[in-house]
Amino acid sequence: EDKVVQSPLSLVVHEGDTVTLNCSYEVTNFRSLLWYKQEKKAPTFLFMLTSSGIEKKSGRLSSILDKKELFSILNITATQTGDSAVYLCAVYTQGGSEKLVFGKGTKLTVNP
Amino acid sequence: DTGVSQDPRHKITKRGQNVTFRCDPISEHNRLYWYRQTLGQGPEFLTYFQNEAQLEKSRLLSDRFSAERPKGSFSTLEIQRTEQGDSAMYLCASSPQGSNQPQHFGDGTRLSIL
Repeated sequence: EDKVVQSPLSLVVHEGDTVTLNCSYEVTNFRSLLWYKQEKKAPTFLFMLTSSGIEKKSGRLSSILDKKELFSILNITATQTGDSAVYLCAVYTQGGSEKLVFGKGTKLTVNP
Repeated sequence: DTGVSQDPRHKITKRGQNVTFRCDPISEHNRLYWYRQTLGQGPEFLTYFQNEAQLEKSRLLSDRFSAERPKGSFSTLEIQRTEQGDSAMYLCASSPQGSNQPQHFGDGTRLSIL
């Protein structure tokens, strides 16, 4: 069965800290990995990664994929209270399925 | 606002009642997905449509659940004879057709079963 595991499950930091969130996966026929941010409502799309070693960057957020070791990391530098959210990792697999397989998420709390 | 729209935002009902949720996708997206999310878990896939065709259903989708997208635009998800375990957030997402398209989510319908 396809599995996506995120760690840590929760994290509390102070404003200005840098954090690294982890996502590992065990799936049949990996296609791509996506990161979402979920505050209280809709998960909002952050990044999609398909190739190893190519960093995706958006402001203070960046992410990279390692297809050999089957994991991805999401980095957030100079954290702000507005970064407090649950960060979800999800995977698309090959074979005709269009479903996303999600991990449980990492709950990030940034204190002032 | 041209994002994914879901209605109602909250639904409280008694066990055994039927409920129906609606999702309006982003207008140019022909794929529409339903997920269920419970506290502390990531979203779990239920079903997806390409235009009006329902192409994939999860084992989670028991025979009490039915989804439709009759004209390839909005979709409805109906749960019959609700049970306590159906309490969850029901999320709808949409995407364009094509490989590796990000799915864009609505704010969800929170269902509470009394």
